[in-house]
Parts: sequence; structure tokens; C-alpha cells
Amino acid sequence: RKEVEQDPGPFNVPEGATVAFNCTYSNSASQSFFWYRQDCRKEPKLLMSVYSSGNEDGRFTAQLNRASQYISLLIRDSKLSDSATYLCVVNLVATSYDKVIFGPGTSLSVIP
Amino acid sequence: GAGVSQTPSNKVTEKGKYVELRCDPISGHTALYWYRQSLGQGPEFLIYFQGTGAADDSGLPNDRFFAVRPEGSVSTLKIQRTERGDSAVYLCASSRGQASYNEQFFGPGTRLTVL
Repeated sequence: RKEVEQDPGPFNVPEGATVAFNCTYSNSASQSFFWYRQDCRKEPKLLMSVYSSGNEDGRFTAQLNRASQYISLLIRDSKLSDSATYLCVVNLVATSYDKVIFGPGTSLSVIP
Repeated sequence: GAGVSQTPSNKVTEKGKYVELRCDPISGHTALYWYRQSLGQGPEFLIYFQGTGAADDSGLPNDRFFAVRPEGSVSTLKIQRTERGDSAVYLCASSRGQASYNEQFFGPGTRLTVL
């Protein structure tokens, strides 16, 4: 099983739609979680951190379920500019390592 | 302010050659990460520096890969005896501290092609 798995996509949705992405991780010792966004042929950029209590930033809501080792990202009222690949990121930290693990990404296309 | 820069932006080399990829992090960022990304995949962790030392190099695929950060700022990723399978985009990222708790800022990457 891969350390971080995401919905394979691609997701093709009309403008204004609500779309949800899922991410699961295998290591229960994972400590912190993020969603990054990557536009085609560009570098990844932080979208938002994911907290246990859930957090919202405008149209974006992230949720973490540690018991199920599951992270989600919800995008409401999709815009054309939301088209990108969304990367789930999990951090593992211990005395002998500090590892950042990216999921394979889920591609989103918002259609006019 | 200046972001993370990487040079060269593109590198084409022949199988068996040696290459060096350079990363200039954001000034003051103590943490520096190297990743490689293949088409359709997420970035794959290679190595993490905290200051001058490699805090975690467990992602380096084999002993042909080596990275240094001698003065705690610029880092160089070195690949010996390149193979076609090394072709990928190599990304560098820096952060104020450990990426566990801090946003990573990525450079534009170096696209390496091994013929």
C-alpha cells in the first residue's frame, strides 16, 4: 500500500459546482497535513494546512480524521481558476527522520 | 522578495554523465528540501537539510545521488553516472523551519533529461 493515496481523478466539473477530494495515509504516526496546489508545468504552492478541528478558507474546507487516517478537501462554487492538480501532503517526524510525503495528486478541470 | 531559484531550468545530458543541479533558497530559510517529480506523479522526497547538515537523506534512491549545503544556504544536488530513469523534474523547496510546521516554498524546478 502506498504511504499516501488520493482519488485518481481527473475530476471534470462545471463552474459553480462543489467538489470533494479524498486522501488516505498509511502511517498513524503522521503529524501534520497540508493541501498543495500545482498548476500545469508549475511548482506546487501551499493551499492550506489541515487541522484536526477542520478549517475553512473562503470556498475551501479541509478536514482531518486521524482515527480513519483520512483527509479531505472540499471546494465550493468552483471557479475556472481552480483548475489544477491538488496534492495531499503528510509529514512524518521522528528523532531520526523528517519526511515529507506527497500523494500522487488529483486533477481538477472546471468547465465553463 | 526573491523566491526560491533553481539552475539550470533545463538540463539535457547523456547516459553515464555527471550533473549538478543548484538551488538558491529564500534568504533566512533554514530548511531545504529536494524532490523529484515524474509526469503524473506527486513530488518524491529525496533529502532534507536543516542548516548545513542533512537531517534526513532516506529518500535518495542510491549512492549515485548526493547533495550538499556547505554554508547553510545554496544547495547542490549531484548525480553521478546518470541513467535514463533519472529523467524527471527536480524540485527544491525551502521553509523557515521544518516542513512539518511551516509552509514550503518551491522553486520552478530543473527538468533533467537523460538521453
